[in-house]
Amino acid sequence: QKEVEQNSGPLSVPEGAIASLNCTYSDRGSQSFFWYRQYSGKSPELIMFIYSNGDKEDGRFTAQLNKASQYVSLLIRDSQPSDSATYLCAAYTGSARQLTFGSGTQLTVLP
Amino acid sequence: DTGVSQDPRHKITKRGQNVTFRCDPISEHNRLYWYRQTLGQGPEFLTYFQNEAQLEKSRLLSDRFSAERPKGSFSTLEIQRTEQGDSAMYLCASSHSRTSGSITYEQYFGPGTRLTVT
Repeated sequence: QKEVEQNSGPLSVPEGAIASLNCTYSDRGSQSFFWYRQYSGKSPELIMFIYSNGDKEDGRFTAQLNKASQYVSLLIRDSQPSDSATYLCAAYTGSARQLTFGSGTQLTVLP
Repeated sequence: DTGVSQDPRHKITKRGQNVTFRCDPISEHNRLYWYRQTLGQGPEFLTYFQNEAQLEKSRLLSDRFSAERPKGSFSTLEIQRTEQGDSAMYLCASSHSRTSGSITYEQYFGPGTRLTVT
C-alpha cells in the first residue's frame, strides 16, 4: 500500500462546476498535508496546505482534512479551463519531514 | 521575489557520462530537498539538507548519486555513469526548518531539470 493514494483520474468537469479531488494516507503520524498543482512539463506549484481537522478556504479552493478517516480533499469551486492540470496530494512523513506524494489526479475543465 | 532556481533546465547526455545539476534555494530557507519525478508519478524524495549537513538519503539514491550543499547555500546533485533509467525530472525544493509543534513549513519547488539519457 502506498503511503499517499489518489484516484489517478482523469477527472473531467464542466466550466463553473465544483471539482472534488480526494486523497488518503496511511501514516497516522502525518500531521501536515499539501496540495500542489502541476501543469504538463512544469514543476509542482503549492496551492494549499492544511494541518488541522476541518476545512480551510482560500479563494476558490477549499482543503478538507479528516485525521480519523485519514482523508484529505481539495474542492475547486467555479472551475476554469486554466485549472486543468494534475493535482498532487502530499504529506510530511519520516524523520526528514520529506514530502510523500500521491501519483496525482489529472483534472480537465471543459469549456 | 526570487524563488527556487535550478540549472540547467534541460540536459541530454549519453549513457555513461556524468552530469551535475545546481539548485539555488529561497535565500532565507535553510532546508533543501532533492526529488525525482518520472512520467505519471508524483515526485519521490532523494535527499535533504539542513544548512550544509546532509541529514537523510533515500534508498533511491544509489552510489552513483551524490549531493552537496557547501556553506549551506546552493546545492549540487551529481549523477555518475548515467543510465537510461536515470531519465527523469530532478526537482529541488526549499523550506524553513522552524517548527511549531510537529508542523513544518511548506516546501517550494524550483522549475526542475529534465534529464534525458540516450
